[in-house]
Amino acid sequence: ILNVEQSPQSLHVQEGDSTNFTCSFPSSNFYALHWYRWETAKSPEALFVMTLNGDEKKKGRISATLNTKEGYSYLYIKGSQPEDSATYLCAPQGGGNKLTFGTGTQLKVEL
Amino acid sequence: GAVVSQHPSRVICKSGTSVKIECRSLDFQATTMFWYRQFPKQSLMLMATSNEGSKATYEQGVEKDKFLINHASLTLSTLTVTSAHPEDSSFYICSADPGLAGGGDTQYFGPGTRLTVL
Repeated sequence: ILNVEQSPQSLHVQEGDSTNFTCSFPSSNFYALHWYRWETAKSPEALFVMTLNGDEKKKGRISATLNTKEGYSYLYIKGSQPEDSATYLCAPQGGGNKLTFGTGTQLKVEL
Repeated sequence: GAVVSQHPSRVICKSGTSVKIECRSLDFQATTMFWYRQFPKQSLMLMATSNEGSKATYEQGVEKDKFLINHASLTLSTLTVTSAHPEDSSFYICSADPGLAGGGDTQYFGPGTRLTVL
């Protein structure tokens, strides 16, 4: 069982603030790293799939970086908005396309 | 695109009964679907991998005779919790993998099913 850790566990920021979260995972047997955004009562939404060391991906105000050698990924949100409030999950992918999820970072953006 | 539905969204049943949960990919075909469950304050845990036309592969510690999985078509997988007990109360969620032709390794998730066993 992979040990996937996400920090912080929860985060409250003000509208307009920029923020970032961390996902750490074992660097062995690595295929890809997935980030999901999960709003209450909705389906988890795929944000990024990252495979290469040094990868950086961007989707609007959200971006992510990947370091496979040391086993971590950062997710950044620039200029947070209330609609960014959600739980952000990371999941390294192993063999058989199996995902191992962290417990997530719960973000609350306040006006 | 890439929408996955799950039914029912919430179910309450009596101990000893069986409950079936459906997972459908609405606008793509998925040769592989995954079933996860989440207990309070814990992460999503993979239960089993469901492949169309073949037997499911269960993760260690998951009883295959208790959690029956059927993947009869490329758009439908079902999870049946047999003889449910209160300890089976959990949040069950499925995902579907469209394969390389449809979107790489991204898994698309349903909204989940909250099961409460009395």
